Amino acid sequence: EAGVAQSPRYKIIEKRQSVAFWCNPISGHATLYWYQQILGQGPKLLIQFQNNGVVDDSQLPKDRFSAERLKGVDSTLKIQPAKLEDSAVYLCASSLRGQGGTEAFFGQGTRLTVV
Amino acid sequence: GNSVTQMEGPVTLSEEAFLTINCTYTATGYPSLFWYVQYPGEGLQLLLKATKADDKGSNKGFEATYRKETTSFHLEKGSVQVSDSAVYFCALSDQTGANNLFFGTGTRLTVIP
Repeated sequence: EAGVAQSPRYKIIEKRQSVAFWCNPISGHATLYWYQQILGQGPKLLIQFQNNGVVDDSQLPKDRFSAERLKGVDSTLKIQPAKLEDSAVYLCASSLRGQGGTEAFFGQGTRLTVV
Repeated sequence: GNSVTQMEGPVTLSEEAFLTINCTYTATGYPSLFWYVQYPGEGLQLLLKATKADDKGSNKGFEATYRKETTSFHLEKGSVQVSDSAVYFCALSDQTGANNLFFGTGTRLTVIP
């Protein structure tokens, strides 16, 4: 079974530039998550989708971050404009459903460095 | 609110030593509890989980018991191997709502031969 695919693996940009990350979840998984993991911290949820609808985006800085999941499959997370504090690993995860206790499968992440 | 407090690292052990990584939580309701592991160069993967009080999760020689009375989910292994070197994350999800995972800060384990 193919896992969660993310690209790119690494990205370096200057502050105020824009960047986009792509995620392809495990086939058949209805729920997709984007997490931000700052160095030395645990991952923190940015946004959760159920199919192509948003379940939770309360922690997403909506003035600069946006995400979409067209057709309920692939997803894109965008940052515009980037700030230095956005340097982090961005993790995509998917699960079969969005109920508590369901295992989430993670991609390898995209490491973003903002200089 | 929901939060996880995890034993600070890093932890360095000799091969075959006993491992304990402490984890306590604060949650509304009755959460599910998880241990995720991140091996060097790889993504997070589920190590074990428990979904209700007194449940014991186990996998690859690791185990953790869901203790509601002490709000804890400590990870243990009787004899660690060099291949267990990784970062370990304790996490919870709220059973009553969406499957949002709240993570601890992670504990880096290094096992030396």
